[in-house]
Amino acid sequence: AQSVTQLGSHVSVSEGALVLLRCNYSSSVPPYLFWYVQYPNQGLQLLLKYTSAATLVKGINGFEAEFKKSETSFHLTKPSAHMSDAAEYFCAVSGSRGDQKLVFGTGTRLLVSP
Amino acid sequence: EPEVTQTPSHQVTQMGQEVILRCVPISNHLYFYWYRQILGQKVEFLVSFYNNEISEKSEIFDDQFSVERPDGSNFTLKIRSTKLEDSAMYFCASSADAVGGQDEAFFGQGTRLTVV
Repeated sequence: AQSVTQLGSHVSVSEGALVLLRCNYSSSVPPYLFWYVQYPNQGLQLLLKYTSAATLVKGINGFEAEFKKSETSFHLTKPSAHMSDAAEYFCAVSGSRGDQKLVFGTGTRLLVSP
Repeated sequence: EPEVTQTPSHQVTQMGQEVILRCVPISNHLYFYWYRQILGQKVEFLVSFYNNEISEKSEIFDDQFSVERPDGSNFTLKIRSTKLEDSAMYFCASSADAVGGQDEAFFGQGTRLTVV
């Protein structure tokens, strides 16, 4: 069984500051990991995914995440926050190839102040 | 850019009534999914659908729920007799391959179901 834990339901940063959103996973098989973003009144959009290739994954809008097996973590970072980054961010996990469901975390709302 | 579309965006229904949520997945995708998010809680998997049949379902997806792909484009979720606890945002998603593979799931904007 797979699960993810997102630490912090809300994270506040200033514009230009580092963004760090935390995600820890639990999986009985090698995991595939995803970060999705949800802007207000919109659906879930994939930011990036880890599928056992490079451990440092680059996504859209300047975001990246690093898969650390020893820490069972997949934290999302962005060097410099922009006002437009304000949204809800979801970490998700699926099992090995053929798994047909994503297991989501509870989400982290990112607030960006000027 | 292709997208998953869901209708309606918001539906209000009375307890005990049947409701059908509609989705148009991306045209060349083969896997279809429904997820839901109760307000303030995590997004939860309901069901996956492949090759015209349910391939996986969660404990939430009981006999009150059903899915159908009535034609080549639509994918529907039916709740036969709605309960107050069915109030949630329902997301439809589709993918070319199973999400455990190289392909991502594309999500629609969701239908907010309110049961009164």
